Order: sequence, then structure tokens, then C-alpha cells
Amino acid sequence: EVQLVESGGGLVQPGGSQRLSCAASGFSFRNSWMYWIRQAPGKGLVWVSSIDYDGSVTTYADSVKGRFTISRDNAKNTLYLQINSLRAEDTAIYFCGRVAGGGVINLWGQGTLVTVSS
Amino acid sequence: DIVMTQSPDSLAVSLGERATINCKSSQTILNSSNNKNYLAWYQQKPGQPPKLLIYWASTRESGVPDRLSGSGSGTDFTLTISSLQAEDVAVYYCQQYFGSPITFGGGTRVDIK
Repeated sequence: EVQLVESGGGLVQPGGSQRLSCAASGFSFRNSWMYWIRQAPGKGLVWVSSIDYDGSVTTYADSVKGRFTISRDNAKNTLYLQINSLRAEDTAIYFCGRVAGGGVINLWGQGTLVTVSS
Repeated sequence: DIVMTQSPDSLAVSLGERATINCKSSQTILNSSNNKNYLAWYQQKPGQPPKLLIYWASTRESGVPDRLSGSGSGTDFTLTISSLQAEDVAVYYCQQYFGSPITFGGGTRVDIK
């Protein structure tokens, strides 16, 4: 089955860290650009970060630059997002997504919720 | 960044009636070299991730019913549900992938009247 499965979310204190994972299956992960997209509770979709096929090109939203790090392990078919120095405004569901056609997200994971609170 | 503005924020339509959602970009998202509009539409139902419906402004993703259609060019785009069904109740988002970063509209909630 073609799918993405995120994990690693949870309750984190302000200033804390978390590593999110996204396990890919059923398709050629190593040939896919990947995104992390987040959605604050009751709000819209916001792009967070992108990574190319082999991890040599990464980009970040200004709001997370210097605090978040995207990476991938093609041998394990897994995408990661290391999130540090967490703030209340980082509270969101984090989705990983497979990129197609220049920027369309044609496969989404079910998301993992990160809650930043003391 | 390219700003995507959707309207209305929400709408309620009777079953079988037409629903129309608008999306406007702050600059053109038409690539004149290939004549493609870099615009996608997604549907998100409660508790679920978004689902790709349409890309290149009007190309339906496999499996998407033909009552959903996309149109428009340049800066103004429309998603039309020609005959609303109960399973169409959702929030709909437009997204541009012409510029970096990709950006989404704020979403339009569609309900049954």
C-alpha cells in the first residue's frame, strides 16, 4: 500500500525538542521530493520545509529557520523533522507529503500532533 | 511570498446544487513558457489529511468525481462542485506552486444547507 505514516508527536515544554518521523512505503521514496506541512488547531495549511531526493537541498519557512532541521534516510524510506527551541505557536499537526509535478502534494500522511505547553 | 486569498470563508449549499469557491493569487501563477497555471486544490474532511483534487488548475486527480472541476488562469481561479453531495462536506484549500515557498489559501468550508 502506498502510504506515509508519521510518528513522534506529543506534549513538549516550551524550549524543548522533538524528532518527527515519516515512514514511506509502496512507492520509490528515494525518487521523491518531500515536504513537511503543518496545521495549527482549527487553522489552515502552512508549508514548513522541503527536501530533495538525496537530502542535498533543504529549504525552510522563515518562522522555523534555525530551529527545525529536515533530513531523510533513503535506506530506511524515512523522512525526519528535528524540531528544537519549541514555542507555543509551533503547536500543530505536522503532515509529511510527497511532492509531484513541481510542488503538488499528491500523498499525505495522517499527521502527528505536536503540542507545546508547560 | 505569493499570497492566496480564498472566498468565501464558508458556504452552505443544498444537496444537488452548485457550489463555487474562488481563489485569487497576489501575482500571476501562469508560466508563459508552458502555458500552465501552477494551482492545486485540496479537500480536507474532519480528522483527515488533505486530499489532492486538482492540479494545473484544471486537471483532475485520478479517482476524483467529475462533478468537481477547476478553472481559471493568471491570478483568478475557481473550484466548482456542480451538484453537491453529502460526501463533499469539507474544507477546500487552493495552493500555488509557481513561487517558492508554496503557499495555501485560508480555506473554504462547504456545508449542506
